[in-house]
Amino acid sequence: AQSVAQPEDQVNVAEGNPLTVKCTYSVSGNPYLFWYVQYPNRGLQFLLKYITGDNLVKGSYGFEAEFNKSQTSFHLKKPSALVSDSALYFCAVSFIGSYIPTFGRGTSLIVHP
Amino acid sequence: NAGVTQTPKFRILKIGQSMTLQCTQDMNHNYMYWYRQDPGMGLKLIYYSVGAGITDKGEVPNGYNVSRSTTEDFPLRLELAAPSQTSVYFCASSSPRVGRGSTDTQYFGPGTRLTVL
Repeated sequence: AQSVAQPEDQVNVAEGNPLTVKCTYSVSGNPYLFWYVQYPNRGLQFLLKYITGDNLVKGSYGFEAEFNKSQTSFHLKKPSALVSDSALYFCAVSFIGSYIPTFGRGTSLIVHP
Repeated sequence: NAGVTQTPKFRILKIGQSMTLQCTQDMNHNYMYWYRQDPGMGLKLIYYSVGAGITDKGEVPNGYNVSRSTTEDFPLRLELAAPSQTSVYFCASSSPRVGRGSTDTQYFGPGTRLTVL
């Protein structure tokens, strides 16, 4: 079984400040971890993924995420938030041999000018 | 490439009516998925397919049916629409490869907003 938790329904941050969107996971075996972003009235877009290798993964639009095996976390980060980063962010997990990911409930990121 | 396309964008149904949500991808992906998205609930998997002629149930399949006669198309059928099926529906595709370089990044369509009254 696999599951993913996004403990915050909403994250508020001021433009220019660093942002973190949290994700923890549970999976049997080695995980595949993903972050997707959804802008209003649009489908989900891929941001970044962790398959293996370096724990720090860099993705689109200046986002990065750190895989922490001991804490089973994969938090999404950005050093300096932009108003245009305001969107709904989803964490997803699957594992080697299974290509059916499980999605978290989503976190709404609001960046204030 | 157009990626993943879905039609229609919006639809209003009356209780008991039927309809088919269309999904097409032009990336030659073998995996395709149907999700529904309800506010605060994330994405719930309805059905998925690992290739033409092969489909399987996801987490919330009741009230829906699918078919996969070609690699490109994966339509979702609602036979007797109910208010509980009011949602936004997303189709996605991926092309996982076993072994080194394996990846299963999903590509999503723009969604169909369905209201059942």
